[in-house]
Amino acid sequence: AQSVTQLDSQVPVFEEAPVELRCNYSSSVSVYLFWYVQYPNQGLQLLLKYLSGSTLVKGINGFEAEFNKSQTSFHLRKPSVHISDTAEYFCAVSLPYNQGGKLIFGQGTELSVKP
Amino acid sequence: GAVVSQHPSRVICKSGTSVKIECRSLDFQATTMFWYRQFPKQSLMLMATSNEGSKATYEQGVEKDKFLINHASLTLSTLTVTSAHPEDSSFYICSARDGIQVTRGRNTIYFGEGSWLTVV
Repeated sequence: AQSVTQLDSQVPVFEEAPVELRCNYSSSVSVYLFWYVQYPNQGLQLLLKYLSGSTLVKGINGFEAEFNKSQTSFHLRKPSVHISDTAEYFCAVSLPYNQGGKLIFGQGTELSVKP
Repeated sequence: GAVVSQHPSRVICKSGTSVKIECRSLDFQATTMFWYRQFPKQSLMLMATSNEGSKATYEQGVEKDKFLINHASLTLSTLTVTSAHPEDSSFYICSARDGIQVTRGRNTIYFGEGSWLTVV
């Protein structure tokens, strides 16, 4: 079975500072990895995804993530955050489509950007 | 970009009644749709996976007779909460997989905006 652990439930940071949101996954087979953002009372928006290829993945809003197979991690980073980045961030894992493909989410990390 | 629409966005119903939530893929064919439930300040819990034209596959612990899922077409899936109780109050989110993207080797899933259900 696959699982996802987001190591920080809350991350407070000042505006324009860098941020890293940590995500570790567990799986005995190859998986796809995703980061989603959820603003209050809204659905989820895909930030970026890793399916294969380059381990450094760039997404929207200046976010990037690096897939590290040996450490089973997929940490999300942004060099300089804005107030508008305040939201809940979810890391997710899925098997390839031909093996089921459903998304399993981590517990979420609340990013709070302060002025 | 691809859009998934949920309706209603908010609904209040009386205890004991049933309520239906629709999930539509507006500009793509969704071969697979997923239904999630989210409690405040918590993660998304997968309830079931539905494939067009077949019965939904429910996750362990989810009552299939209470949460009826129908995926009658490639653009519409519905979740019906039957005999609703206050503990069913929650945020329900659907997502849809683009079937064409799958054939191109891409696992692209799009989320709806969610539906708030309050049972009084």
